[in-house]
Amino acid sequence: AQKITQTQPGMFVQEKEAVTLDCTYDTSDQSYGLFWYKQPSSGEMIFLIYQGSYDEQNATEGRYSLNFQKARKSANLVISASQLGDSAMYFCAMKNYGQNFVFGPGTRLSVLP
Amino acid sequence: SAVISQKPSRDICQRGTSLTIQCQVDSQVTMMFWYRQQPGQSLTLIATANQGSEATYESGFVIDKFPISRPNLTFSTLTVSNMSPEDSSIYLCSVGVSSVYNEQFFGPGTRLTVL
Repeated sequence: AQKITQTQPGMFVQEKEAVTLDCTYDTSDQSYGLFWYKQPSSGEMIFLIYQGSYDEQNATEGRYSLNFQKARKSANLVISASQLGDSAMYFCAMKNYGQNFVFGPGTRLSVLP
Repeated sequence: SAVISQKPSRDICQRGTSLTIQCQVDSQVTMMFWYRQQPGQSLTLIATANQGSEATYESGFVIDKFPISRPNLTFSTLTVSNMSPEDSSIYLCSVGVSSVYNEQFFGPGTRLTVL
C-alpha cells in the first residue's frame, strides 16, 4: 500500500533563510507522481510543485525546489529565502497511476521575523 | 487550472441535523472528490463523485452518512447527515485536472463545527 511519511510535525525558520521539509514515501509501483501542497490557516490547499518518478532532474518552481532521491524514496521540499507568508501547513502527497491521492500527515512551518 | 467555489464557507450546526455542502467548478471536469480534514489531521478521501452514477466511497465512509450528488460536470454536493461532534472538520472538494502533472485543485473548504 502507498504511504507518505513526514517526520517533522513542526518546523521553525528565520525569515530569509532556507528550510527543508522532509517527505518519504513507500510504494511498489514504478510510475507515480509526488506533490507538495501548502495549506494556510484559511484552509485552502495550494498546489506548489510536482515530481514524476521518471523525472531525472529535480523539480523547481520559483522559491520551491524538490530534492528527489528515488533510491531513498524521499522527496524533500526546499523553500529558499523564507517569507512570513510561508507560514502554513505543508503536505506531501503521492499519486500512483489509476489510484487516488495519498497525503502525508503534514508539517507546520513557522517563519520567524 | 480550475477555479472551485464551495458553499457554505463555514457553519455551526446542532447534533442530529444535516448539512449540504455545494461545490461549483468553473469548467467541466471528469473527476471530483470530497475530502475530510479533522482538526490537526491530514486529508482523508471520503468519496469520488461520479457524474451520472453513484459515488465511489472509501473504506470507513458510507452513503447513508455522506450522500453525494453529481448532477453535471461542474457541480457536486456532499451532505453530512445526522451530525455528531466527531463530524467537526474541514470538508474539501477537489477536481482532477488532465495536465502535465495531473494535479488536483482544491476548493477553499467548508469549516464545520457540530455542537
